[in-house]
Amino acid sequence: DIVMTQTPLSSPVTLGQPASISCRSNQSLVHKDGSTYLSWLHQRPGQPPRLLIYKISNRFSGVPDRFSGSGAGTDFTLKISRVEADDVGVYYCMQATQLPQTFGQGTKVEIK
Amino acid sequence: QVQLQESGPGLVKPSGTLSLTCAVSGGSITNSNSWSWVRQPPGKGLEWVGEIYPSGTTNYSPSLKSRVTISLDKSKNQFSLKLSSVTAADTAVYYCAREYHASGDALDIWGQGTSVTVSS
Repeated sequence: DIVMTQTPLSSPVTLGQPASISCRSNQSLVHKDGSTYLSWLHQRPGQPPRLLIYKISNRFSGVPDRFSGSGAGTDFTLKISRVEADDVGVYYCMQATQLPQTFGQGTKVEIK
Repeated sequence: QVQLQESGPGLVKPSGTLSLTCAVSGGSITNSNSWSWVRQPPGKGLEWVGEIYPSGTTNYSPSLKSRVTISLDKSKNQFSLKLSSVTAADTAVYYCAREYHASGDALDIWGQGTSVTVSS
């Protein structure tokens, strides 16, 4: 299985300030078809996860442009340009390049 | 707008079989890459359980493969999960989700989740 490692596991942030989450895989996530199936999800307390970013850097429908994804190969980053109160919760990276699909441990974002 | 809704017993006895259904509304179950089950133990992270394609082809997590069956009912526009020989370690919120080609094969739509407790 591909292991996904997120850092930090907890991120206290100030409203209006940027936040960044790193996700590393122990194998390249480049599929034989050339695409990299790395996505980011956000889960608020008591809610199901919701898709933010797919294929490294593509924002899903309705996702604000303060969210951005970047990276390649084994190293990926999710950035929030200006954190809002609605952004609290746990963020997960997920790979679908190789079965079984696997998730990072999650990064909890909270307001200072 | 496609929506997913999980249903099934909230309590299952140890060694029994967990059975859940995910009803798909707002679209056809044949119009997707695949349909997945993901679970989340209390206070923990997400774990992919398995998926089924509209063709009926399935893929399962290796750690659960011997106990999992995912099936699809096109006539009812729903898919199901069965997990046998359950233990307390299978206690979790179970989510169904859609994997969609236009969303880069990501899990773009999720159900609200259903909580399952394994206890006697």
